[in-house]
Amino acid sequence: DIQMTQSPFTLSASVGDRVSITCRASQRISHWLAWYQQKPGKAPKLLISKASTLESGVPSRFSGSGFGTEFTLTITSLQPDDFATYYCQQYDSHFTTFGQGTKVEIK
Amino acid sequence: EVQLVQSGAEVRKPGESLKISCEASSYSFTHYWLGWVRQTPGKGLEWMGSVYPGDSDTKYNPSFQGQVIISADKSISTAYLQWSSLKASDTAIYYCARGGPNYYYYHMDVWGQGTTVTVSS
Repeated sequence: DIQMTQSPFTLSASVGDRVSITCRASQRISHWLAWYQQKPGKAPKLLISKASTLESGVPSRFSGSGFGTEFTLTITSLQPDDFATYYCQQYDSHFTTFGQGTKVEIK
Repeated sequence: EVQLVQSGAEVRKPGESLKISCEASSYSFTHYWLGWVRQTPGKGLEWMGSVYPGDSDTKYNPSFQGQVIISADKSISTAYLQWSSLKASDTAIYYCARGGPNYYYYHMDVWGQGTTVTVSS
């Protein structure tokens, strides 16, 4: 299996802050990486696919970057609606796997 | 609007069987892989397996192979996840999610609302 490791586990930030979440793959996955946002009691929501392609309707303050084994989700100017848990997912192998999640909390 | 609507929460005893469903609407059900994802506090999100409703081709995560059956009925645009003998460790939230048109290992762009399964004696 390809292991996905996110950091940090928890991130405390304020409205307006710029925040970044890192996702590392245990082997190279090209650009086959997605980012999801999940709020309590809700299903995950796809934000970004292919490492940097923003899904339709997702605010432009979200962006993704990276290739190979290291990837970053960046939120510029954090908004109240952005406090949630974020997951990365690799889909390079025949066995897709997710990171353990990063919770973005209000500071 | 593309939508996946899952069946409601279930409570079962260990050893009982269960089949939960996921009904798709507003897209060509037979042309996209449909996956099932388990979420638990301990293990997070885990892909269990996927089905291609067009020809019922099914792929499983080895960890779930033999533990569950994934199927689809294209006549009613509905996918299923079933257990023949539940264990307490099957207690989780189960999501269905739409995958890609060509590959079962793909990002998942539409998710059901989740079905909570509780297995307790």
